[in-house]
Amino acid sequence: EVQLVQSGAEVKKPGATVKISCKVSGYTFTDYYMHWVQQAPGKGLEWMGLVDPEDGETIYAEKFQGRVTITADTSTDTAYMELSSLRSEDTAVYYCATNTRPIWSGYYFDIGYWGQGTLVTVSS
Amino acid sequence: QSALTQPASVSGSPGQSITISCTGTSSDVGGYNYVSWYQQHPGKAPKLMIYDVSKRPSGVSNRFSGSKSGNTASLTISGLQAEDEADYYCSSYTSSSTWVFGGGTKLTVL
Repeated sequence: EVQLVQSGAEVKKPGATVKISCKVSGYTFTDYYMHWVQQAPGKGLEWMGLVDPEDGETIYAEKFQGRVTITADTSTDTAYMELSSLRSEDTAVYYCATNTRPIWSGYYFDIGYWGQGTLVTVSS
Repeated sequence: QSALTQPASVSGSPGQSITISCTGTSSDVGGYNYVSWYQQHPGKAPKLMIYDVSKRPSGVSNRFSGSKSGNTASLTISGLQAEDEADYYCSSYTSSSTWVFGGGTKLTVL
């Protein structure tokens, strides 16, 4: 069974940095992209970026470029999302999610498995 | 990359059919057959309902179907049931090798 288990809720002050983890099981970590998605309270889903765990290559959404760092640790099958220079608008639930088909299939465009979400609250 | 455009809300009575549209550009929806649809109940993670425009993952009811014409994709839910009440999001792969979501549509079952 594919499982993505995220770290717990965080409370941060403006200007701080938060790092969220996502530990996976039930599949070969390096065969699937790991995406991160933001959802502010009462708002929609926003794609932040992804990492290819095989080689560490990343792609980031323009909105988060420069503030977000996504990494993968293949020794522990864990992905991380670090967001810096936090502001109140970053208060949101952050999801890690992975494709349902492996990268090598060439058909990796659906995001089918999701973590439970991690609430990050930014408040002074 | 701008969000894909979805209606804010749709509604229907049990047993009826509804359709949710998702409009993008030739750089995303119109350029690739990689549109997905997600269902999200309050406080829950999104659930994949449709991928590659019209394919259903195993376990998803055949009451859910997807299609695309030009830059607009559509999700149709037939035989509406109370448990279909949720938020629905479309998503597309883009020419920038990124992904983009729609703004979301709240479905109310009357």
